[in-house]
Amino acid sequence: EIVLTQSPGTLSLSPGERVALSCRASQSVSNYLAWYQQKPGQAPTVVIYDASKRATGIPARFSGSGSGTEFILTISSLEPEDFAVYYCQQRSNWPWTFGQGTKVEIK
Amino acid sequence: EVQLVQSGAEVKKPGESLRISCEGSGYSFPSYWINWVRQMPGKGLEWMGTIDPSESYINYNPSFQGHLTISVDKSSNTAYLQWSSLKASDTAIYYCARHCGSHVCYEGFDVWGQGTTVTVSS
Repeated sequence: EIVLTQSPGTLSLSPGERVALSCRASQSVSNYLAWYQQKPGQAPTVVIYDASKRATGIPARFSGSGSGTEFILTISSLEPEDFAVYYCQQRSNWPWTFGQGTKVEIK
Repeated sequence: EVQLVQSGAEVKKPGESLRISCEGSGYSFPSYWINWVRQMPGKGLEWMGTIDPSESYINYNPSFQGHLTISVDKSSNTAYLQWSSLKASDTAIYYCARHCGSHVCYEGFDVWGQGTTVTVSS
């Protein structure tokens, strides 16, 4: 099973700041990595798929990069609605797996 | 409108059986696989398995295989997750989510159900 390790666990930031979330895979997942955003009490929503492709309706301030084992989700300037938990997920090998999540909270 | 609508919250006792559902509408149901994702209280997301409605191919996460069954009814555009004998540790929110079965249209898990809360307690 491919283990995805996200760091940091929690980030305390202010609106307008730039943030970079890390996801590291225990073995190569090529570019088969997605990022999801989950707000309290809501189902997750896809932000980025295939490492760098923005999902439909996702603002340009969100970007994804990386391949192989190292991936980054960048939010160029945090908006109030971006404070949430973010999960990475790989579909390279069965079983598909999620990272443990990074919480982005308001400072 | 494209949506996945899940069945309502359930409260069960250990050892009881349960089936929850996920009905797709507004799109070609056979073209999108359905995934099941568990979220235990206060915890992260766990991928449980996926089913291809067109071929009924299923892939289970070994961590869950043997304890539950994923199925689909193409005639009603509905996927199911069922247990024959629930445990207290099955208490969680269960989400269904679709993904396109073709690389051409794949956009991640692009539509999610609202979640079904399952509580197992004696």
